[in-house]
Amino acid sequence: GAGVSQSPRYKVAKRGQDVALRCDPISGHVSLFWYQQALGQGPEFLTYFQNEAQLDKSGLPSDRFFAERPEGSVSTLKIQRTQQEDSAVYLCASSPDRVSSEQYFGPGTRLTVT
Amino acid sequence: GESVGLHLPTLSVQEGDNSIINCAYSNSASDYFIWYKQESGKGPQFIIDIRSNMDKRQGQRVTVLLNKTVKHLSLQIAATQPGDSAVYFCAETGSSNTGKLIFGQGTTLQVKP
Repeated sequence: GAGVSQSPRYKVAKRGQDVALRCDPISGHVSLFWYQQALGQGPEFLTYFQNEAQLDKSGLPSDRFFAERPEGSVSTLKIQRTQQEDSAVYLCASSPDRVSSEQYFGPGTRLTVT
Repeated sequence: GESVGLHLPTLSVQEGDNSIINCAYSNSASDYFIWYKQESGKGPQFIIDIRSNMDKRQGQRVTVLLNKTVKHLSLQIAATQPGDSAVYFCAETGSSNTGKLIFGQGTTLQVKP
C-alpha cells in the first residue's frame, strides 16, 4: 500500500517568505509527527497530532512555525517569515497507535532559505 | 536532559563481515527503542525495535541488544552487504507519553566490496 507522502520534495524560499509543507500519512493512522533534520544530524521532534488534536508542540522552534491537521488525516506545516536557520529537511511520520509504536516516515521536504 | 548518542560517527566494514553499531541513551524511563536506516535523500526506514522488557530481539540479518543497566543499545548486522551502506540512527521515546522519538546523531556505515 501507499506509504507516507510529502510535498513538495524540494522548496527554495527567499528569506521572509511563508512556506507550507504537506504531509499525507498512511490511511487510518492515528498519530502524526513532524521532525526537523539539519544536515548531518538526527531528526528532531517538532510536533505531534493524535487524529486532529495537536497534543504536543513543544519542539516548534518559534511562533513562526504552525502545524495543523484539521480532519485528522492530511497535515500542513507552515513556516512564516522564513529565516536561513530554517533550512533543513522536514520529515513527517505516522503510526497506527497512540504511543510507542513504529513510526513510518515520508521522504521529507528539503527547504532551502536563501 | 534527555539525549541519545552514538559512539562512532563512521563505521567501515568489509562486505560479508558482521557490523555492530552502538548507541548510548540517558533516560532510564525510556520504554521503547528503534533503529532506523536512512539512505541519502530518503526518510528514515524502520529496521527493528525493542521494548524495555526485553534484552534481545532478532530480525532478518539484524539483532538488537538492549542493556538497561548501562543504558546501551546495539544493532548487529550479519553478513553486511553493499546495500546496507547508509546512516543508522537509534531512537528512544524518552519520558514522553506521546511516542515522540529522540534520535541520536547517526553512524555512517560504509561497506567495502
